[in-house]
Amino acid sequence: AQSVTQLDSQVPVFEEAPVELRCNYSSSVSVYLFWYVQYPNQGLQLLLKYLSGSTLVKGINGFEAEFNKSQTSFHLRKPSVHISDTAEYFCAVGNRDDKIIFGKGTRLHILP
Amino acid sequence: DTAVSQTPKYLVTQMGNDKSIKCEQNLGHDTMYWYKQDSKKFLKIMFSYNNKELIINETVPNRFSPKSPDKAHLNLHINSLELGDSAVYFCASSQVTGSAFFGQGTRLTVV
Repeated sequence: AQSVTQLDSQVPVFEEAPVELRCNYSSSVSVYLFWYVQYPNQGLQLLLKYLSGSTLVKGINGFEAEFNKSQTSFHLRKPSVHISDTAEYFCAVGNRDDKIIFGKGTRLHILP
Repeated sequence: DTAVSQTPKYLVTQMGNDKSIKCEQNLGHDTMYWYKQDSKKFLKIMFSYNNKELIINETVPNRFSPKSPDKAHLNLHINSLELGDSAVYFCASSQVTGSAFFGQGTRLTVV
């Protein structure tokens, strides 16, 4: 069975400051990892994904994430956030069974 | 040219009614899903279809019945709606081992 844990339900960050959103997963098989963003009253948009290869993955809007197999983590980072980054961020795990499981989400608050 | 489209976007209905939500994808993906997002934003998978065949059926009441007439469509029919069914329902599609593309969601309100 797979699971995803996002420990922080909310993260407040000042504008132009760096941010890290934490994600840990558990799985007994090889996994594929994703980060999605949901802006208010909108659907989910893929930020980035890790399928294989380089453990540092770059996504849209200046976000990146690093796959760490030993720590079973896939934390999301951005060096400088903007007010437009205010949104809900979801970490997700998938495998060859085509089942994508989502974490409970982290709400990113950008403070002026 | 919307990749995954679902209709309607908003649905307000009375308890006990039967309603359907439609979903279509034009990405040529083999797999389609229905997710439910509750008021706390938690996303839970409900169903997954691969090439019109049901492959994932999570613990969902029998009142929810997915139907896939072809690979590009996955509709969700809900019988005898209850207050607890109020949520946002997302349709998504993906290729094998790929990331999922989501529709804009259907906000269902049962009164």
